[in-house]
Amino acid sequence: QSVLTQPPSASGTPGQRVTISCSGSSSNIGLNHVYWYRQLPGTAPKVLIYRNNQRSSGVPARFSASKSGTSASLAISGLRSEDEADYYCAAWDDSLNWVFGGGTKVTVL
Amino acid sequence: QVTLRESGPARVKPTQTLTLTCTFSGFSLDTSGMSVSWIRQPPGKALEWLALIDWEDDAYYCPSLETRLTISRDTSKNQVVLTMTNVDPMDTATYYCARTLTEDDAFDAWGQGTMVTVSS
Repeated sequence: QSVLTQPPSASGTPGQRVTISCSGSSSNIGLNHVYWYRQLPGTAPKVLIYRNNQRSSGVPARFSASKSGTSASLAISGLRSEDEADYYCAAWDDSLNWVFGGGTKVTVL
Repeated sequence: QVTLRESGPARVKPTQTLTLTCTFSGFSLDTSGMSVSWIRQPPGKALEWLALIDWEDDAYYCPSLETRLTISRDTSKNQVVLTMTNVDPMDTATYYCARTLTEDDAFDAWGQGTMVTVSS
């Protein structure tokens, strides 16, 4: 069971906006940055968002993220078929370890 | 160009010790703030961070696995080694190594992963 809580799935039709939540605690998200990773089947994850809301190089502006208190969210607007992937949130925990969310599978209907 | 590559046995038996090596290039683990982590992913399941070693040779571990893990580095070979004792079928997973540039920073470079199956 993952320390950070994400919905297992999210879906939308092309062009729609999809939001993924990530809930943590005062020892991780509440104190430290949140990172978002995207993982395509059979490949290693890649960083999508770093330090709460900064898009990694090459990530389109359709991807945005925010953090408030002990929760964070990732939004994908203008959903496209190539956005189908697993998305993970992560944060450093003050018990001196990284924690990940359980992952959210995004499906484009 | 930054690259990381994991290597190790594809199969180990229960109760044995698993040793994985991450060989990297394009950066130095002696650089201030740099660290290399091991992260695993059981088939069809979520990512789980295992351990980290940093530029000061400090090591940090997943609390639930700390008693079974040891992470070390060989800066002359640009390698980071993870050992896991007393493996169990639940340790079957793809094991990744990944880099962070500074403290509380993203895993900005990952290896391709190595699949390890624990089975008798």
